[in-house]
Amino acid sequence: ETGVTQTPRHLVMGMTNKKSLKCEQHLGHNAMYWYKQSAKKPLELMFVYNFKEQTENNSVPSRFSPECPNSSHLFLHLHTLQPEDSALYLCASSQGGAGEETQYFGPGTRLLVL
Amino acid sequence: SQQGEEDPQALSIQEGENATMNCSYKTSINNLQWYRQNSGRGLVHLILIRSNEREKHSGRLRVTLDTSKKSSSLLITASRAADTASYFCATVKDSNYQLIWGAGTKLIIKP
Repeated sequence: ETGVTQTPRHLVMGMTNKKSLKCEQHLGHNAMYWYKQSAKKPLELMFVYNFKEQTENNSVPSRFSPECPNSSHLFLHLHTLQPEDSALYLCASSQGGAGEETQYFGPGTRLLVL
Repeated sequence: SQQGEEDPQALSIQEGENATMNCSYKTSINNLQWYRQNSGRGLVHLILIRSNEREKHSGRLRVTLDTSKKSSSLLITASRAADTASYFCATVKDSNYQLIWGAGTKLIIKP
């Protein structure tokens, strides 16, 4: 266990559904991240929150909406997704937002969009 | 754009042999990190090497960094079946704290 939990672990949704992914870290970290991992592609950074403030949004479509109510919780709200959004969505945290720090990953949510 | 590129994309060896994976990158970096991912799971940090370091060890892992060639290697000695996983390198650029990832090397250890 890395101290980062994600729910649900698996999710199947239609293109018109609205769902949310949840991430919680029990490490006292101040930075949290959402990544998208597709088969045979590099990990794609989606969003970064540092001390609850969004500091990065890597040109992610608006159908993905992050929310960080406190430094321990991170959500990814999903709305009208496309089949190409099917992927493993990974949450990570680190002590601060500095890249020289180790990132701790959750187990991921495997998302399938039909 | 992809910063780290691992080589080879896939590697299959016998248990007990050494496994070597390489990572190349394009821009100057602050540090380079290696992570492991078991199938369908999250990534686990293995080792971080800073730009002013040339070699680092952790148990059966040995990482080297050659900033002149913009490359790093990860050596796993005396491999075990449990080492079967995908291995990723990630770099941090001087002026940006984001981790930039490669597509990974899939390592299979045959018993």
